[in-house]
Amino acid sequence: DAKTTQPNSMESNEEEPVHLPCNHSTISGTDYIHWYRQLPSQGPEYVIHGLTSNVNNRMASLAIAEDRKSSTLILHRATLRDAAVYYCILRGGYGGATNKLIFGTGTLLAVQP
Amino acid sequence: NAGVTQTPKFRVLKTGQSMTLLCAQDMNHEYMYWYRQDPGMGLRLIHYSVGEGTTAKGEVPDGYNVSRLKKQNFLLGLESAAPSQTSVYFCASSYVGSGTYQETQYFGPGTRLLVL
Repeated sequence: DAKTTQPNSMESNEEEPVHLPCNHSTISGTDYIHWYRQLPSQGPEYVIHGLTSNVNNRMASLAIAEDRKSSTLILHRATLRDAAVYYCILRGGYGGATNKLIFGTGTLLAVQP
Repeated sequence: NAGVTQTPKFRVLKTGQSMTLLCAQDMNHEYMYWYRQDPGMGLRLIHYSVGEGTTAKGEVPDGYNVSRLKKQNFLLGLESAAPSQTSVYFCASSYVGSGTYQETQYFGPGTRLLVL
């Protein structure tokens, strides 16, 4: 599985935008980029995913570089409830896929009031 | 719709004791998974199942067994618990769609296990 690299931690102020980067230089053409987050003392939850085009949903936006070697998760207005560990994960089409997620250590986002 | 539930929430075991963790989902998902998470680390896959009656090994299967006798339940067993199995265990499930590498996983709240 292709690997991702994320900063260990980031800090943001409440109600400001947050840009969480992820590098995935060995991404293959069929790998989807998924983001999950884990709030304190909870299980991970899905945030967003994309392949080539930028994606938006009610939680966040995903900006994917043209060469797909990096991506950025954007939280448009951070709230205290967004403080969590954010995981960037690559998922490939395995054909008879097992749907496995390979978690790294993620980025710990702290949000200051 | 409860989603993914896990039983128990917390358990303390002595070395050598056995126990079973139960995961249940009410979303009619085909795939189910067991992960463990150690302090400061991401989740690691223990075992998974792609359907009723099937199981397969993940990254760290040693010391664990699983069973999927019913579609909605996925059991994780520790036959002889060791201190190294102290961890938080998460269960997840997902629906098999047309493009499975797009599928999202839904996680339970976790079971905290302490082995003394």
